Amino acid sequence: EDQVTQSPEALRLQEGESSSLNCSYTVSGLRGLFWYRQDPGKGPEFLFTLYSAGEEKEKERLKATLTKKESFLHITAPKPEDSATYLCAVQEFDSGYALNFGKGTSLLVTP
Amino acid sequence: DAGVTQSPTHLIKTRGQQVTLRCSPKSGHDTVSWYQQALGQGPQFIFQYYEEEERQRGNFPDRFSGHQFPNYSSELNVNALLLGDSALYLCASSSRTVTYEQYFGPGTRLTVT
Repeated sequence: EDQVTQSPEALRLQEGESSSLNCSYTVSGLRGLFWYRQDPGKGPEFLFTLYSAGEEKEKERLKATLTKKESFLHITAPKPEDSATYLCAVQEFDSGYALNFGKGTSLLVTP
Repeated sequence: DAGVTQSPTHLIKTRGQQVTLRCSPKSGHDTVSWYQQALGQGPQFIFQYYEEEERQRGNFPDRFSGHQFPNYSSELNVNALLLGDSALYLCASSSRTVTYEQYFGPGTRLTVT
């Protein structure tokens, strides 16, 4: 059973059409939840770390939120340059320092 | 401020051969982790090096080994390559003071034929 599940697998938006990506997780003790952006053939780019339920972080058109079971990445008025795969990862207290990733959501924003 | 660098960018090897990938961490970082990312999948943790020792290992066979040097740079070695080892290999660095935030390099694309 996957510990980190991201949905949807793929999302197509019109420029300016806001939406949310979901990351649900099942871990015994969450040290942190991480969001990354990955462009094709490139390494993941760090976006946010969230540590406790209720926490929120923002960066430009992106806002990440965290509950005890899931995290959302809200994208407000997206632009074509926001097109990428968005990866969610969790780090557990019992699992040391490894990041456990979901499969990602592939986002395409069309003009 | 130099970020994480990896070399080479691309590599093509034949089944059964051995390969070495290299990583230099972000300035100020002393911990290096390696991940394998298959096409369409999220990265999978291979191992982490700190103070020149393997601190944690994921579910990968002994064919995968590594090393960390006194300047914190690291190598990933894979022996007896299999076709299934074809993937993007990612290096991530972090600081012992903020160990949980890992910053990734551009990756090395390994193709095994």
